Amino acid sequence: AQSVAQPEDQVNVAEGNPLTVKCTYSVSGNPYLFWYVQYPNRGLQFLLKYITGDNLVKGSYGFEAEFNKSQTSFHLKKPSALVSDSALYFCAVRDIGSSNTGKLIFGQGTTLQVKP
Amino acid sequence: DTAVSQTPKYLVTQMGNDKSIKCEQNLGHDTMYWYKQDSKKFLKIMFSYNNKELIINETVPNRFSPKSPDKAHLNLHINSLELGDSAVYFCASSQEGKAFFGQGTRLTVV
Repeated sequence: AQSVAQPEDQVNVAEGNPLTVKCTYSVSGNPYLFWYVQYPNRGLQFLLKYITGDNLVKGSYGFEAEFNKSQTSFHLKKPSALVSDSALYFCAVRDIGSSNTGKLIFGQGTTLQVKP
Repeated sequence: DTAVSQTPKYLVTQMGNDKSIKCEQNLGHDTMYWYKQDSKKFLKIMFSYNNKELIINETVPNRFSPKSPDKAHLNLHINSLELGDSAVYFCASSQEGKAFFGQGTRLTVV
């Protein structure tokens, strides 16, 4: 079964510092990996995805993620955090089972708190 | 212009009532979903429809019944509401793996 894990419930970082939000995955076959962000009282917004190609994927709002096959990780990164980046971040893997429904399996979410 | 819109945004109702949440997408996607986000923010899929046909039903009680009148709409009807149904329900549609979510419906059962 496909799954993703986000080991940190919360990440705290000072504004201007680099940030990393961790995600590890377990899949059979090639992984289709995603990051979504949820601002308070809002729906999820797509940040970026990895399907094939370069291991470093660039996404919205200056975020990027690094796919590491040997470590089965897909950590989200940003070189310089902004207070406005404070939100709940979800890593997800696309289920590519026999029905190929495209459903997303989400990690438990990581709250990012950026302090001025 | 909202890509995926769901109504209502908030729903407060008594136990035992029946309620519906509506969802519409204007993206032309074939696949739509309902997800449930619980009080701990865990997100889990409930249903998936592809071109009006049900393709996933993830062990959801049969009090929950999705209805897709056309591929742009996926409504969720809930019978005999229970306290444990309180959550935020998100509708989504997807194309090529990328999902677009509605803003959510916060259901509170009292």
